[in-house]
Amino acid sequence: AQSVTQLDSQVPVFEEAPVELRCNYSSSVSVYLFWYVQYPNQGLQLLLKYLSGSTLVKGINGFEAEFNKSQTSFHLRKPSVHISDTAEYFCAVSTFSGYSTLTFGKGTMLLVSP
Amino acid sequence: DSGVTQTPKHLITATGQRVTLRCSPRSGDLSVYWYQQSLDQGLQFLIQYYNGEERAKGNILERFSAQQFPDLHSELNLSSLELGDSALYFCASSAGLEKNIQYFGAGTRLSVL
Repeated sequence: AQSVTQLDSQVPVFEEAPVELRCNYSSSVSVYLFWYVQYPNQGLQLLLKYLSGSTLVKGINGFEAEFNKSQTSFHLRKPSVHISDTAEYFCAVSTFSGYSTLTFGKGTMLLVSP
Repeated sequence: DSGVTQTPKHLITATGQRVTLRCSPRSGDLSVYWYQQSLDQGLQFLIQYYNGEERAKGNILERFSAQQFPDLHSELNLSSLELGDSALYFCASSAGLEKNIQYFGAGTRLSVL
């Protein structure tokens, strides 16, 4: 079985500052990795994914994440945040199998203030 | 817009009742997943269907059941409802089983009073 740990439940940051949301995973087999964003009162939107290839993946809205296999991490970064980035961010993992379902972390609330 | 449609958006009901949540996947997607999001448990996988057949089960209670119909839409049935079943229920769909890029609907918020 796999698990996901998001180390911070809340990350407050000022507008135009850089941000990093941390995600670590545990799995005995190879994984696919995802970040989803949930804006207030909305569903989950796929931000970016790592399936294979380059360990640095770019997503929507200027976000990027780096897969680090040795540290079993998939941290999300943005060089300059906007007020509109205020949302909950979920890291998720699935495995290489025909039964692959998503295991989510508890989420990190990103609070951007002026 | 993810292309995944969930109805209704909100549902208010009483303990002991039964409700049905509906999900229409993205056009062409064969796989449907149901998740429950609650404050204490977070986002938890409930059940997956692929082309009409149950594929995987997660933390789904025996009082809950689901099915996927020939037109690929899916329904999640929740019965003998308890206060603790109040949550946001999401449906997601993906094209197949590999790589598993899931697209989520807007969710159904269930309130059990």
